[in-house]
Amino acid sequence: GQSLEQPSEVTAVEGAIVQINCTYQTSGFYGLSWYQQHDGGAPTFLSYNALDGLEETGRFSSFLSRSDSYGYLLLQELQMKDSASYFCAVAGNKLTFGGGTRVLVKP
Amino acid sequence: DAGVIQSPRHEVTEMGQEVTLRCKPISGHDYLFWYRQTMMRGLELLIYFNNNVPIDDSGMPEDRFSAKMPNASFSTLKIQPSEPRDSAVYFCASSYRDTGGNTIYFGEGSWLTVV
Repeated sequence: GQSLEQPSEVTAVEGAIVQINCTYQTSGFYGLSWYQQHDGGAPTFLSYNALDGLEETGRFSSFLSRSDSYGYLLLQELQMKDSASYFCAVAGNKLTFGGGTRVLVKP
Repeated sequence: DAGVIQSPRHEVTEMGQEVTLRCKPISGHDYLFWYRQTMMRGLELLIYFNNNVPIDDSGMPEDRFSAKMPNASFSTLKIQPSEPRDSAVYFCASSYRDTGGNTIYFGEGSWLTVV
């Protein structure tokens, strides 16, 4: 089977940096994806890592270590609009999601 | 592109009634997924199709749930009879090829309340 662990909630202030860790156990691993979901909305794609290392997309970066079955999403220069839930997901034939991390950005 | 289209957006129904949720995937996508989201269980994959064929339905909770994809542009998820514990947001999503490196696109969801 597949399992993913990520923190349930993180609170930070505007302009800060937040790191959301994700550890996984799975078979048939292709890569690790990250999705963002605002309250009442649908999950939307943020990033994907197939290889070890850091992928940077604007203020957001994602990291993967396949040997450690570990990845993280880094949110920099936090803005109020970044308040949302963030999900890591193991990609294979299907996408299996972690429980999500709720990020609350305070002024 | 119109994105993944789901209907209805909201439905309130009485226990025991049949519920049918509908989905139109993005044109050209050959994978379609049905997810259910609740506070307790998070985002659960119920079933997915490839080229209209069900590939993995191991997430379907029980026989009350069924899903079909009669053609490349339409899928349904049916619950019969519905129960209060089925109350959740049901998302349909589609992707081009499998999820390995490919983004999956979610619809806005169908918010189901069974009373």
